[in-house]
Amino acid sequence: EVQLVQSGAEVKKPGESLKISCKASGYTFTTYWIGWVRQMPGKGLEWMGIIFPGDFDTRYSPSFQGQVTISADKSIRTAYLQWSSLKASDTALYYCARLQTSGDFRDEAFDIWGQGTMVTVSS
Amino acid sequence: QSVLTQPPSVSAAPGQKVTISCSGSSSTIGSNYVSWYQQLPETAPKLLIYDNNKRPSGIPDRFSGSKSGTSATLDITGLQTGDEADYYCGTWDSSLSTVVFGGGTKLTVL
Repeated sequence: EVQLVQSGAEVKKPGESLKISCKASGYTFTTYWIGWVRQMPGKGLEWMGIIFPGDFDTRYSPSFQGQVTISADKSIRTAYLQWSSLKASDTALYYCARLQTSGDFRDEAFDIWGQGTMVTVSS
Repeated sequence: QSVLTQPPSVSAAPGQKVTISCSGSSSTIGSNYVSWYQQLPETAPKLLIYDNNKRPSGIPDRFSGSKSGTSATLDITGLQTGDEADYYCGTWDSSLSTVVFGGGTKLTVL
């Protein structure tokens, strides 16, 4: 079964760092892009960025460039999303999702989703 | 404000048909394929439609998608109470080189 399993909920203070994970199974990890999507409380989906674990090519949404870092470890089939200094406005549910595309993203679609990781940032 | 525009809410009775629209631009829907996602309460989104009108394995044919110019639509026929969810459209933005989503549409089955 193809699945993405994310790490558990986190409660952090402003200014702290955090790294959440997304472990893939059931498919060849290095041949699909994996993306991260933010959903703030009561709000819609926001695309943060994607990484291709095969060569670590990473693309960011301009809204999130410089705010987060997306990475991956091929040896353990895991993608990561990290913050160096959290803010209260980072409080949200974060999803990882596998991106299917023929190559140029014109036909992109997230076909497999993780269960989500809730991040709460509060003093 | 989302790059893709969806109505905030739609409603219909069980057994009826509902249409959800998604409006974009020449650099989004006009030149790329559209996907649709269903997010049931307290669950992760699920892919319903990709490449404008294709259904992944396991998605019933009550769900169908289409695209014309810079707009796309999701049709749901034979509505069931279990279809109550938020629905999102998504596509690639060729100008921004990013994935963009609509703001979401809440479906209520009366």
